[in-house]
Amino acid sequence: EVQLVESGGGLIQSGGSLRLSCAASGFTVSSNYMSWVRQAPGKGLEWVSVIYSGGSTYYADSVKGRFTISRDNSKNTLYVQMNSLRAEDTAVYYCAREVTMVRGGDAFDIWGQGTMVTVSS
Amino acid sequence: DIQMTQSPSSLSASVGDRVAITCRASQSISNFLNWYQQKPGKAPKLLIYAASSLQSGVPSRFRGSGSGTDFTLTISSLQPEDFATYSCQQSYSTPWTFGQGTKVEIK
Repeated sequence: EVQLVESGGGLIQSGGSLRLSCAASGFTVSSNYMSWVRQAPGKGLEWVSVIYSGGSTYYADSVKGRFTISRDNSKNTLYVQMNSLRAEDTAVYYCAREVTMVRGGDAFDIWGQGTMVTVSS
Repeated sequence: DIQMTQSPSSLSASVGDRVAITCRASQSISNFLNWYQQKPGKAPKLLIYAASSLQSGVPSRFRGSGSGTDFTLTISSLQPEDFATYSCQQSYSTPWTFGQGTKVEIK
């Protein structure tokens, strides 16, 4: 079965650090584009970061310099290291597989269940 | 960044109703527009990609249309399992951006 399972969320103080994990099954993380997408309470979805199959990484301006996306090919797992956390980083964090669709554009076709990160000020 | 604006923010409808949700991009995005369905406490689910293509396994009552800046998601006959929040997302230029969501509630 193709699935993603996140872990690592929790309550953390402002300025602290947290690492989220996303274990994949049914497909190979390193062969795909993998993203983190977050959703603040009662808000819309916000793309956070992507790691391409070739290893290139990109970040939203809101997290650039504070978050680092990575993967462990031997564990088929995606990570995001979150440093200098702020109250505005409070959200459910989803990992998602990004695929290029036949008729154009990319889409997130597989999502994890999400893990909640709460940053207290 | 490309801004995505959905309307309405919420709507109330009955089972069997035809429902339409619109999404407007701040610049032309061709047909690089996706729609997702999200139920409370659950992850988003891809419904429509490339503006009008139905993702595998999605019922045919869901239909996407539009190109350029204006897009519409139509549910032809609302079913009980369709009460959820729907979000659009552009994949024309990075960073990918989403609309704020439209919540479809039971009347």
